[in-house]
Amino acid sequence: TQLLEQSPQFLSIQEGENLTVYCNSSSVFSSLQWYRQEPGEGPVLLVTVVTGGEVKKLKRLTFQFGDARKDSSLHITAAQPGDTGLYLCAGEGGNQFYFGTGTSLTVIP
Amino acid sequence: KAGVTQTPRYLIKTRGQQVTLSCSPISGHRSVSWYQQTPGQGLQFLFEYFSETQRNKGNFPGRFSGRQFSNSRSEMNVSTLELGDSALYLCASSLRASLNTEAFFGQGTRLTVV
Repeated sequence: TQLLEQSPQFLSIQEGENLTVYCNSSSVFSSLQWYRQEPGEGPVLLVTVVTGGEVKKLKRLTFQFGDARKDSSLHITAAQPGDTGLYLCAGEGGNQFYFGTGTSLTVIP
Repeated sequence: KAGVTQTPRYLIKTRGQQVTLSCSPISGHRSVSWYQQTPGQGLQFLFEYFSETQRNKGNFPGRFSGRQFSNSRSEMNVSTLELGDSALYLCASSLRASLNTEAFFGQGTRLTVV
């Protein structure tokens, strides 16, 4: 059972385009985290969102936590080849840490 | 400062064998968590150790076990290996025991069971 569903699963875009990745759940989370994983490496934490409705910006990346704390989105403006990687959302529930199904992003120069 | 170190990086084992993976956390970090990553199931939580005690456990069979030493280094053991255990095993270390604390991941151990 996947507690966190991400969409889309795969995304291939041209450099300079904008994109949004979604992380949805039927469960409420006290907080959600977003990670990026590059091939051959472990995930690296990008941001943690803790308050319903919260919006956090990290340069060209904008993260939003849903009002009901069941979903989150990641928006990238003017994507660059360096943004290529696997994006994962994650949250704690029932003494376990759940990762989303992942979105594999490829930015073509 | 040094990051999380996992050894070995690659491992090939035969069905029925057992395997032990090692994780050295960032200096000063007392929490170590283990994850299994496969193309089909994604990243799944195995267990978390803090100060030598297992604090949280995922939904994996008893063949998967772990331990943590007094220096916070952790080992994960898988007994009676099955083909489906082939995966990237990641460990993450953090300062505190809360699963929501920022975790720093190692590069992982790629286990192949043949």
